Amino acid sequence: GAVVSQHPSWVICKSGTSVKIECRSLDFQATTMFWYRQFPKQSLMLMATSNEGSKATYEQGVEKDKFLINHASLTLSTLTVTSAHPEDSSFYICSAPQRYEQYFGPGTRLTVT
Amino acid sequence: KQEVTQIPAALSVPEGENLVLNCSFTDSAIYNLQWFRQDPGKGLTSLLLIQSSQREQTSGRLNASLDKSSGRSTLYIAASQPGDSATYLCAVSASGTYKYIFGTGTRLKVLA
Repeated sequence: GAVVSQHPSWVICKSGTSVKIECRSLDFQATTMFWYRQFPKQSLMLMATSNEGSKATYEQGVEKDKFLINHASLTLSTLTVTSAHPEDSSFYICSAPQRYEQYFGPGTRLTVT
Repeated sequence: KQEVTQIPAALSVPEGENLVLNCSFTDSAIYNLQWFRQDPGKGLTSLLLIQSSQREQTSGRLNASLDKSSGRSTLYIAASQPGDSATYLCAVSASGTYKYIFGTGTRLKVLA
């Protein structure tokens, strides 16, 4: 099956700094990718849709200036958490569709101190 | 707005039992329904995908059914094992989109 990778798998950053998370489709091209966030003991919530060559579309309540998404190529989308705060600490997971199925990355655990 | 609910929220069973996890959704106009398991601190493992035109899918000890008209799906696990202990999530996508709306999850514990 198709493989989606994320880097890094975990990251710790200080409050006020920015951190970038990469999502790659390894063996297929994806014009669309999705970013989800999962708080402890909660389910996954869709944050935004990343579109290759155009602006991302954000779900209601997600700050687009805080969560910058760039879909620079057909295999790479990046999520940058700007001016991170402790409340941004979460598990971030990306996905990419191929044919009729979604393939999920292994996730990135962000801890903001 | 699509809402996905899973019942029960938590379940503890002895090894060997057959069990059923439930997933309900409010908008029946779905494209896909997919079941995942998630181990603590880990990502998602896809279990079964049911397309809107399908009624069920089977893989090993797992069987998932879909009733779009009633907005329900069930995941049946036969002969449960301690290794089945995890959180099980269902997710649906609306017609014409790959956006997934996830359910609230069921935390399963299978006791040896």
